[in-house]
Amino acid sequence: TQLLEQSPQFLSIQEGENLTVYCNSSSVFSSLQWYRQEPGEGPVLLVTVVTGGEVKKLKRLTFQFGDARKDSSLHITAAQPGDTGLYLCAGLTGNQFYFGTGTSLTVIP
Amino acid sequence: KAGVTQTPRYLIKTRGQQVTLSCSPISGHRSVSWYQQTPGQGLQFLFEYFSETQRNKGNFPGRFSGRQFSNSRSEMNVSTLELGDSALYLCASSVAGEPGTDTQYFGPGTRLTVL
Repeated sequence: TQLLEQSPQFLSIQEGENLTVYCNSSSVFSSLQWYRQEPGEGPVLLVTVVTGGEVKKLKRLTFQFGDARKDSSLHITAAQPGDTGLYLCAGLTGNQFYFGTGTSLTVIP
Repeated sequence: KAGVTQTPRYLIKTRGQQVTLSCSPISGHRSVSWYQQTPGQGLQFLFEYFSETQRNKGNFPGRFSGRQFSNSRSEMNVSTLELGDSALYLCASSVAGEPGTDTQYFGPGTRLTVL
């Protein structure tokens, strides 16, 4: 049983399109992180959100933490081939991060 | 500053064997965490070491063990390998392992295949 469910599991879109990835749980997290992992590499931290309702923008990426701190979303505007990768959310409860199973994104030129 | 390094990058073992994986953290980082990544279960926390002591442990059987040396390098060992142990094993280092404030930096992983 996964503490964090991500959807969709796979996403293939054309360059220039927008997309949203969701990370949902029935548990409350003190913070939530998003990572991107490319083939043959480990995950790289993109952002940490801490406050319920918080919105952070990183260039074309917008991250939102749900008001109840149980869910989060990642929105990418005008996707580029360089955005291709596995996107992972990770929620902190206690002193341990629990990871979602990931969303594999492919952006076709 | 060099990143987290893991050796070997690829391993093939047979059932019943044991394996040792190595992780060298970023210089100055004292916390090392190990994760198992599989397509079905995603990234799952194995254990975390800080100053040569296991500080946190995930829900894995006792066949999975680890240790940390005085230079913060860490090893994990898996004994009596099973087919289901085939996975990408990732280690991550941070300055002090404070999950609310520290950033974890992941290595590229060791791909273990059990035949």
